[in-house]
This record gives sequence, structure tokens and C-alpha cells, in this order.
Amino acid sequence: GESVGLHLPTLSVQEGDNSIINCAYSNSASDYFIWYKQESGKGPQFIIDIRSNMDKRQGQRVTVLLNKTVKHLSLQIAATQPGDSAVYFCAGGTASKLTFGTGTRLQVTL
Amino acid sequence: DSGVTQTPKHLITATGQRVTLRCSPRSGDLSVYWYQQSLDQGLQFLIQYYNGEERAKGNILERFSAQQFPDLHSELNLSSLELGDSALYFCASSRDPGLTYNEQFFGPGTRLTVL
Repeated sequence: GESVGLHLPTLSVQEGDNSIINCAYSNSASDYFIWYKQESGKGPQFIIDIRSNMDKRQGQRVTVLLNKTVKHLSLQIAATQPGDSAVYFCAGGTASKLTFGTGTRLQVTL
Repeated sequence: DSGVTQTPKHLITATGQRVTLRCSPRSGDLSVYWYQQSLDQGLQFLIQYYNGEERAKGNILERFSAQQFPDLHSELNLSSLELGDSALYFCASSRDPGLTYNEQFFGPGTRLTVL
């Protein structure tokens, strides 16, 4: 079955620096990936998604990179801000059935 | 505010009991998804409904069931509750016309505590 995991449980980044959160997946048939942000006490919030026919996708201050060869996904946040502090989940699979990782907590220090 | 509403926000009950969680999707969204998030656990996909029909099933226990009504709201029924069922239950919705990929919008969740 699908497993999606993150490399680090906690990532501490200084305000203004770039953040990189990594994720590995196991199912090579996964064709859709999403990054979610979850702030304390709230539901997950969509950040950015990417399909398997793409290697890179950019949003506002965020970039997702997909390396299908090594089944690796990363989320890059430019100029990290205190408001970026949250748990970040990657999810992979199909549009109908996503498997979520356990999350990486991003801590932004001043 | 994602536009997805869930009730109740908190629910405290005893083992062996049955509860119903309710979700109203965003206006225009046809798909509803249910997820369970336990302490220190990632989101576990439970089940998806699309326009009233079950579309996909994940790690949903036999004690749990769900349905989507003609007005597209959905209910998740949890029965014979156990201590381990204590968790956050999230509902998400997406437009999902056919098989195209759609962003899922999450509700605020229902926190279930089983004592």
C-alpha cells in the first residue's frame, strides 16, 4: 500500500530564510500530490498541488518539486514568515484517495 | 473560512456509544471526504462520497459508516465506540466533476473524546 513520510518531524527556520520540507512516497503509481498546512486548532489548508506529469510548480512564495525517479517531493517556502509556523503535510495518491504523511512542524524563529 | 461546516465542534461520549458527525460541503462541491486525525498521527482517509454515491474507501472500520444525502451534506456514524476512536474527524469537499483533480477544502473538524 501507499506510504508517505516526511524526513524530519520538526524544522526550525529563521524568519526571512527559505524553508525546505521534504517528503518521500512509496507508490510509484501515485499521480497526484498535495501539500497542506495545518495551524493549531484548525483544519488542513491547501497550499499547492502537482501532478506526476510535472517536475515543478510554483505558487505565491511556495514551490513544489517532484522527483519521480527517487519518489521524492519537496515544498520550498521563500522568505519564511512567522505566519508560516504550522504543521505541513504532504499527501500522495490519486485525486480520490490520498495518503497523508504524519507532518513536519515548521517553527519560525525571529 | 473554507466554506465547509462541521457539527458538532466537540463531542464527549462513553465507550460503546454511537455518535453522528455532520458535514456540509462548500456550495457547488459534489464530493465529500472524511478523515480521522489521531494525536501525533497524520490524516487517515476514511471514505469519499460523490454526488450521493460512495466513490472511494480508505481505512474505515466496519463500526463506522457514512452517507451523503440528496442535498449533498454528509454524515459519519461511529458506533460501538472505543477509547482509541478519540480523534479529530475532518470533512473535506471538492468540486470533483468526473475524474479531474480538485483541491480539497477542509472543515474545522469535530473533536471526539471517548471516555
